[in-house]
Amino acid sequence: QVQLVQSGAEVKKPGASVKVSCKASGYTFTSYYMHWVRQAPGQGLEWMGIINPSGGSTSYAQKFQGRVTMTRDTSTSTVYMELSSLRSEDTAVYYCAREGARPPGYYYYYYYMDVWGKGTTVTVSS
Amino acid sequence: AIQLTQSPSSLSASVGDRVTITCRASQGISSALAWYQQKPGKAPKLLIYDASSLESGVPSRFSGSGSGTDFTLTISSLQPEDFATYYCQQFNSYAITFGQGTRLEIK
Repeated sequence: QVQLVQSGAEVKKPGASVKVSCKASGYTFTSYYMHWVRQAPGQGLEWMGIINPSGGSTSYAQKFQGRVTMTRDTSTSTVYMELSSLRSEDTAVYYCAREGARPPGYYYYYYYMDVWGKGTTVTVSS
Repeated sequence: AIQLTQSPSSLSASVGDRVTITCRASQGISSALAWYQQKPGKAPKLLIYDASSLESGVPSRFSGSGSGTDFTLTISSLQPEDFATYYCQQFNSYAITFGQGTRLEIK
């Protein structure tokens, strides 16, 4: 079955970086884009960006430009999200989410997210 | 960025009720809208995509409609497992955005 397995919880100090992994299984890794979405405690969902596992191209939300880096390793079917210069406001659950298959003639910028990881809790505290 | 405004922000209803949640976009997005259900401590779950297409495995009591700027999610007969938070999401701009969420509680 299709699965996204994320790495475990992290506790970081302000100014540090965190790298979260998301290992895909049950489908062809390079055929589906992957998004990262975060959710601060008690808050809504916030899109961070997208990576194309096939070629590695990325697009980031403006808010995270310069602080986020998304990469992939096709040999292990894993995508990574690294966030630097952490501050307390970055305390959140970070999700990876597979994008649905784009149909022929597709013309939107992106698509919906059909499979989600369970999330990785990142706590930023001094 | 395109803003999505959901209404109501919270809603109390009873098992068996028909419930409608609205999502309004700040500019037209065609049918590039999805709906998700999230339960406490869990990841979001896709319910509806392309504004009105039901995701495989999702009960038929869930339905979506709309295009352009105004969209609705309807649950025809609430079941106990439907009490959760619901989010709309648009994907027709350079930046994906989500609505603020609608919390559906038991009356």
